[in-house]
Amino acid sequence: DIQMTQSPSTLSASVGDRVTLTCRASQSISSWLAWYQQKPGTAPKLLIYKASSLESGVPSRFSGSGSGTEFTLTISSLQPDDFATYYCQQYKSYWTFGQGTKVEIK
Amino acid sequence: EVQLVESGGGLVQPGGSLRLSCAASGFTFSSYVTSWVRQAPGKGLEWVSGISGSGSTTYYADSVKGRFTISRDNSKNTVYVQMNSLRAEDTAVYYCAKSLDCRTTNCYGAFYYYMDVWGKGTTVTVSS
Repeated sequence: DIQMTQSPSTLSASVGDRVTLTCRASQSISSWLAWYQQKPGTAPKLLIYKASSLESGVPSRFSGSGSGTEFTLTISSLQPDDFATYYCQQYKSYWTFGQGTKVEIK
Repeated sequence: EVQLVESGGGLVQPGGSLRLSCAASGFTFSSYVTSWVRQAPGKGLEWVSGISGSGSTTYYADSVKGRFTISRDNSKNTVYVQMNSLRAEDTAVYYCAKSLDCRTTNCYGAFYYYMDVWGKGTTVTVSS
């Protein structure tokens, strides 16, 4: 089974900050990685697929990079609407989520 | 509008059973894998089960294998999960989500695909 590990678990930041979240896979997953945003009481929302492709309608301040086992999600200028929990997911072999990174207000 | 709507959640005693439904609209249902993903209170997301667009192939996480059975009725655009021998640790919000079926659609090298649309979830509570 492929395990996904995200860091940090919690990230405190201010509006306007550039933030970077990390996701590591236990084995190579090529670029078969997605990022989701989830706000309390709501379903996850797809942000990024194939490691770096931006889902339609998602603001361009979100970007993804990486391949193999190391991936990052960057928010170039944090906005009030971005405070949420972010999950990475591999889809090379079935589907596995990371444990999430909560982005909170500093 | 592409939509997934879950139903069937509720309170059930340990050892009991429950059947969840996921009704789809707005897209070619049989072209997509439908998965169930759950989220225990205060915890992260856990993929539980998936079914191919035709229904011929099913996938299960080890945590539910042998207890949960996924099925679909493409004439009703609905996916079901029958949950038996429920445990307290099955308590969660259950989401259904769709992803392209790479068995029947060109996924450019992928065998599985990302989940692009999710329902709002239905809550299952296992407690005496």
